[in-house]
Amino acid sequence: GQQVMQIPQYQHVQEGEDFTTYCNSSTTLSNIQWYKQRPGGHPVFLIQLVKSGEVKKQKRLTFQFGEAKKNSSLHITATQTTDVGTYFCCYNQGGKLIFGQGTELSVKP
Amino acid sequence: DAGVIQSPRHEVTEMGQEVTLRCKPISGHNSLFWYRQTMMRGLELLIYFNNNVPIDDSGMPEDRFSAKMPNASFSTLKIQPSEPRDSAVYFCASSLENNRGGYTFGSGTRLTVV
Repeated sequence: GQQVMQIPQYQHVQEGEDFTTYCNSSTTLSNIQWYKQRPGGHPVFLIQLVKSGEVKKQKRLTFQFGEAKKNSSLHITATQTTDVGTYFCCYNQGGKLIFGQGTELSVKP
Repeated sequence: DAGVIQSPRHEVTEMGQEVTLRCKPISGHNSLFWYRQTMMRGLELLIYFNNNVPIDDSGMPEDRFSAKMPNASFSTLKIQPSEPRDSAVYFCASSLENNRGGYTFGSGTRLTVV
């Protein structure tokens, strides 16, 4: 069935470096959502993308939805230790959210 | 707004015992979801409700798992009998039906079955 693949699975960066995680689907998605889960915490909603080619920014975070609506990316500029956690992309299928496997980000101070 | 409230936060039980997890969604949210998270399988949707009615329970692992939503402000997930492989973090989440604001997750229940 339809699913989303996230890469990379893990990313270790030095504080101040940029970070990008990618989310790819084999089929067209109606929308995509991104969540962040801190270690030991619960997923927290970041954003939803709906339109083809959409780009949204939240401070140092930039979210993109591909023109074909089959891929998405999350880019963090100048990472900070507070960015540590797992970032999930997910899509809505029949009223329920299906989560990717996530990208775990660690930041070395 | 207190958010989605789950109880207990931690549960340790012996194999074969019944376990009941509880969730209070955000007032006004009419969709409720139960997820299970493990290292091996990630976040899996177990079941979800719209307006207190179960819509899709295809993610429920087996008959040992059951979920109810007797009213708009309360849901339970029951495991009977529990097994060590049920050890995981169980999250409850709620949302508005159109889901444009995303899901709000509770803090989860960490279940350990020994």
